[in-house]
Amino acid sequence: DAGITQSPRYKITETGRQVTLMCHQTWSHSYMFWYRQDLGHGLRLIYYSAAADITDKGEVPDGYVVSRSKTENFPLTLESATRSQTSVYFCASSIVQAGYNEQFFGPGTRLTVL
Amino acid sequence: AQSVTQPDIHITVSEGASLELRCNYSYGATPYLFWYVQSPGQGLQLLLKYFSGDTLVQGIKGFEAEFKRSQSSFNLRKPSVHWSDAAEYFCAVGASTNAGKSTFGDGTTLTVKP
Repeated sequence: DAGITQSPRYKITETGRQVTLMCHQTWSHSYMFWYRQDLGHGLRLIYYSAAADITDKGEVPDGYVVSRSKTENFPLTLESATRSQTSVYFCASSIVQAGYNEQFFGPGTRLTVL
Repeated sequence: AQSVTQPDIHITVSEGASLELRCNYSYGATPYLFWYVQSPGQGLQLLLKYFSGDTLVQGIKGFEAEFKRSQSSFNLRKPSVHWSDAAEYFCAVGASTNAGKSTFGDGTTLTVKP
């Protein structure tokens, strides 16, 4: 089915390990986003991408790396995971038309760093 | 910079009662406004959006919202709440000048009493 998918849905890792969260969308949307959701903080933007090979930092980029070699994929890597990165991570995609930007969200990845 | 405030962290209503969730935004020009709903364990789903025209917008699941420029508000309403409406609700503001990004409020959790 068309849509936006994230994998894995659940991940437990240890401090210091590298972790990659995958995001794939089938709409060919130009924009993609990574958010983290924590209690008391709502959604915070980590990184976003306006197109393939174009990425930029969001509100909380430290400790994360992204790439976008293909329009449909936008992986998020935690190079050396820390306990403070325990969170639920959401990927989203968007078309920007006439300036407005409805976002479509994936189901999320719940990451626990021990 | 744009910002969104959802003054109510948690609201409890009885099934069948009316609902109003508040959202105030800060933005210098005409904003693009959204309400999303997040059911437990799920990603965010768009309920409705406003970007021009009629200030009263209808969305899915019987929700509506009214844009009031003079009050910088975009409150979400439903005349009769169903138990299945229990979820977290996010207001967001987007802008044509903001590279496709949206700013989200911290969310309001809705509990529905039987």
